[in-house]
Amino acid sequence: DAGVIQSPRHEVTEMGQEVTLRCKPISGHDYLFWYRQTMMRGLELLIYFNNNVPIDDSGMPEDRFSAKMPNASFSTLKIQPSEPRDSAVYFCASSFGGRNEQFFGPGTRLTVL
Amino acid sequence: TQLLEQSPQFLSIQEGENLTVYCNSSSVFSSLQWYRQEPGEGPVLLVTVVTGGEVKKLKRLTFQFGDARKDSSLHITAAQPGDTGLYLCAGGAYNQGGKLIFGQGTELSVKP
Repeated sequence: DAGVIQSPRHEVTEMGQEVTLRCKPISGHDYLFWYRQTMMRGLELLIYFNNNVPIDDSGMPEDRFSAKMPNASFSTLKIQPSEPRDSAVYFCASSFGGRNEQFFGPGTRLTVL
Repeated sequence: TQLLEQSPQFLSIQEGENLTVYCNSSSVFSSLQWYRQEPGEGPVLLVTVVTGGEVKKLKRLTFQFGDARKDSSLHITAAQPGDTGLYLCAGGAYNQGGKLIFGQGTELSVKP
């Protein structure tokens, strides 16, 4: 079975550019989570969806960040404009039925120069 | 705000040694999970404990949930180089639809 799929795996961009990260959750999972991981702050929850509806976006750092889930099999996290402090590994995870077990994708390593 | 504190943050040991990682909070959690993350990959679930006082074993790994459901420990017996990685504990928040609170992680290095 396919796990959570994220693309791209690596992204290098310049400050001010728009960045879009993509995620395909495990089929049948109804919860989707976006996290950011850095050495300093660890793994931080940015936003999560239930049945494609955003439930809690209190972790989104600022208005430069936005996330969408147009259907059950696809979500995007967009940063516009990007800044060097956004450099991190971004993970997408999914789960089923509100159970706490989350399945993570391989992550997107973002570098903003 | 619910927080989970892990200790130690870094641990470097020799193959064959035993170790314990702790995860503590002042908050009560509905469940506690342990994940392991290898470089360049996402965290992978090792175990979920739900009942206060629960103990689960996974080969050489023993997980315990505190009686008050506020803390947990991970004990590894006879560590091997393959155990090297980042260990993360995560608490399930009540009535928050599967939302997890993650600890900062323990970076374990097991040298042959």
